[in-house]
Amino acid sequence: GENVEQHPSTLSVQEGDSAVIKCTYSDSASNYFPWYKQELGKGPQLIIDIRSNVGEKKDQRIAVTLNKTAKHFSLHITETQPEDSAVYFCAASKGGGGSNYKLTFGKGTLLTVNP
Amino acid sequence: DGGITQSPKYLFRKEGQNVTLSCEQNLNHDAMYWYRQDPGQGLRLIYYSQIVNDFQKGDIAEGYSVSREKKESFPLTVTSAQKNPTAFYLCASSGNRVGAFFGQGTRLTVV
Repeated sequence: GENVEQHPSTLSVQEGDSAVIKCTYSDSASNYFPWYKQELGKGPQLIIDIRSNVGEKKDQRIAVTLNKTAKHFSLHITETQPEDSAVYFCAASKGGGGSNYKLTFGKGTLLTVNP
Repeated sequence: DGGITQSPKYLFRKEGQNVTLSCEQNLNHDAMYWYRQDPGQGLRLIYYSQIVNDFQKGDIAEGYSVSREKKESFPLTVTSAQKNPTAFYLCASSGNRVGAFFGQGTRLTVV
């Protein structure tokens, strides 16, 4: 089955700096890669996703890049703010279309943005 | 408001008891999922359902059961056969070309 590795497990940055979280996946058939933000005691919130037919996607301060050949994808957060502090999860799925999004998750990255 | 509602938010179970966690969605999504989250861990898939009256085991289905009698509802029963049930349980749903969205979770504690 699919295996998703996520690094680093913890990341501390100063407010205004950039943060990068990296994930690798094992199944070349995976074609959908979402990122979730989880605040303490709450459910994960989908913040951005990318499908295998594109290499990069950006939404304001957040961007995701995908390298299908190397089977890795990354989350980039620019101009970080204290409210960006949370646990971030990457995931992979062979869905990418239709309704099936059975996801395999990485183990998460605790991001701390220091004022 | 459209969304996914999980209840209760906190649940306490005695040893040997079965408990049922509720998950309801009004997003008209076909697929629904149950994940388990342990401290410092990612989410692991327990069961999923792509359509009413059909469901499949995920990676850690032992000790759990589900039903999907209605499109909107996907309850999870944690049975006494689950030896380590204390965890944070998350329900999600997904629709056509729309990614998976999560509820706010149920924290289950064995007392």
